[in-house]
Amino acid sequence: TQLLEQSPQFLSIQEGENLTVYCNSSSVFSSLQWYRQEPGEGPVLLVTVVTGGEVKKLKRLTFQFGDARKDSSLHITAAQTGDTGLYLCAGAGSGGGADGLTFGKGTHLIIQP
Amino acid sequence: DAGITQSPRYKITETGRQVTLMCHQTWSHSYMFWYRQDLGHGLRLIYYSAAADITDKGEVPDGYVVSRSKTENFPLTLESATRSQTSVYFCASSEFRDSNQPQHFGDGTRLSIL
Repeated sequence: TQLLEQSPQFLSIQEGENLTVYCNSSSVFSSLQWYRQEPGEGPVLLVTVVTGGEVKKLKRLTFQFGDARKDSSLHITAAQTGDTGLYLCAGAGSGGGADGLTFGKGTHLIIQP
Repeated sequence: DAGITQSPRYKITETGRQVTLMCHQTWSHSYMFWYRQDLGHGLRLIYYSAAADITDKGEVPDGYVVSRSKTENFPLTLESATRSQTSVYFCASSEFRDSNQPQHFGDGTRLSIL
């Protein structure tokens, strides 16, 4: 069974600060996906990283896939109140996700004005 | 509108009752999935389906039954509901033209078993 450890579980910071969320595993994944979930809604994909060492940027969000494809990080620069939400990392196994994704437990992020 | 819809959005039932959660997608995606989301556990895979009439167990399948007679529908049935099955259930779909495609989620069904 593949496991994804996501940290921190809760994070509350002031607007304008930077933060990093980590997603770690002892297993190798074919890809890592990051989702964001709002209350009462389903997760929505932010980004997929596939290649070891890959870095992707989405405005103020930077996603990195570890060289060994066992870990990933999400860095937010100059956080805004609109970044508040639940962030989930999810790993695809050798089947590329065809047999489902393994999710971390999520990071509840609160950005205070 | 194209998308994935789940019904009902909220359901309260009693232990021992049978309950079916519906999932419908309009994209004609091949793959569909059922997850449950619980505090302290995150999202866990219950069942998945690669195509009509093809289903397989996920991480936590006990107490659940699925069917997929049509590509667009993937109902999840709790045959005899238990309190431990109180959860938020999410259906998702994906098109696997190649691997590592994103999953598209519905807005969930919040199920309470009394």
